[in-house]
Amino acid sequence: ILNVEQSPQSLHVQEGDSTNFTCSFPSSNFYALHWYRWETAKSPEALFVMTLNGDEKKKGRISATLNTKEGYSYLYIKGSQPEDSATYLCAYLYNNNDMRFGAGTRLTVKP
Amino acid sequence: DSGVTQTPKHLITATGQRVTLRCSPRSGDLSVYWYQQSLDQGLQFLIQYYNGEERAKGNILERFSAQQFPDLHSELNLSSLELGDSALYFCASSVLGGPAVDNEQFFGPGTRLTVL
Repeated sequence: ILNVEQSPQSLHVQEGDSTNFTCSFPSSNFYALHWYRWETAKSPEALFVMTLNGDEKKKGRISATLNTKEGYSYLYIKGSQPEDSATYLCAYLYNNNDMRFGAGTRLTVKP
Repeated sequence: DSGVTQTPKHLITATGQRVTLRCSPRSGDLSVYWYQQSLDQGLQFLIQYYNGEERAKGNILERFSAQQFPDLHSELNLSSLELGDSALYFCASSVLGGPAVDNEQFFGPGTRLTVL
């Protein structure tokens, strides 16, 4: 069974706080990990595509790390802003043939 | 606006019917992906086409099929519809066929299918 787990399910932080959440996936047959940002009533927006163990990606205040040997990726948001409020999804691509999504972490940033 | 278009926006139909959802990728993108988002199962990958050929297959039912045409637009055909097929169907596109580091997927606005 290919389970992609994301934790926590939801997170409430104050504006200016830094936060992070986790995506766990099977370490076997790893091909790539995708992170998406999904705002309510909109479409998912790609944040990162990560393929190599030890990868670190950064886009503005958001960054991600990847550990394929132990099967996890962290997403960090520095100095959270209300506009960061969204669901953050990770998706695990295995064998270059199928993609499984986690259930997402719902982030709410309070002003 | 991602540049990916999907039609129709909403579709209401009855059980047993067949519908076709259409997706036009961003200009220059060769890959099209189809996803289903339902309340109970979250976002699920269905199928990917790259330059007209099936590239990857996920959790797609046999009642569903897709194709990508020479102009790179894609259609997802859903037949013998059941109540449980009610969902939001997203299409996404990307430049490449594989998960290269910069091969981001750009999502369309989705088609909401309601089966009554």
